[in-house]
Amino acid sequence: AQSVTQLDSQVPVFEEAPVELRCNYSSSVSVYLFWYVQYPNQGLQLLLKYLSGSTLVKGINGFEAEFNKSQTSFHLRKPSVHISDTAEYFCAVSARAGNQFYFGTGTSLTVIP
Amino acid sequence: NAGVMQNPRHLVRRRGQEARLRCSPMKGHSHVYWYRQLPEEGLKFMVYLQKENIIDESGMPKERFSAEFPKEGPSILRIQQVVRGDSAAYFCASSRDTTDTQYFGPGTRLTVL
Repeated sequence: AQSVTQLDSQVPVFEEAPVELRCNYSSSVSVYLFWYVQYPNQGLQLLLKYLSGSTLVKGINGFEAEFNKSQTSFHLRKPSVHISDTAEYFCAVSARAGNQFYFGTGTSLTVIP
Repeated sequence: NAGVMQNPRHLVRRRGQEARLRCSPMKGHSHVYWYRQLPEEGLKFMVYLQKENIIDESGMPKERFSAEFPKEGPSILRIQQVVRGDSAAYFCASSRDTTDTQYFGPGTRLTVL
């Protein structure tokens, strides 16, 4: 089975500052990696995904993430955050031959004006 | 192309009643997944279905919970004799196949009084 650890439950950051949300995973098989964003009282929206190829993945809203196989990490970054980025962010992993997504417990990003 | 649709968005039940949650996958998607999000937690996999078949129900509680995905119509997650601990957000996701990204619906927030 796979598991995901999001090291920070809450991340406050000032507007226009950079941010990194950390995600580590464990798996004995090859995996796909995902970041989702959840706005209050809404469903999950896919930010970006890593399936194969380049380890630097660019997503929507200016976010990017880098897959680091040796460190089993998939940290999410944005060089300059906006108020509208305030939301819950979930990292998820699925086995390449599997059908379940395993989610981390989420990181609550709060952008301070 | 409409996204994954779930209804109702909010559902209130008294202890002992039944809850029926519906999920219509994206057009062209034949794989449906149900997840539960308890307060302050990440999403937990419950069940994976294809048309008329339950493929993986390893995350489903053994009692009171059932799911179906009939040949025609939406997928249904049914909770019998609800208890307060069933209060959560229930999300449905769909995909074209097991290697495809899962796209999430807006969720059904169940409150058990």
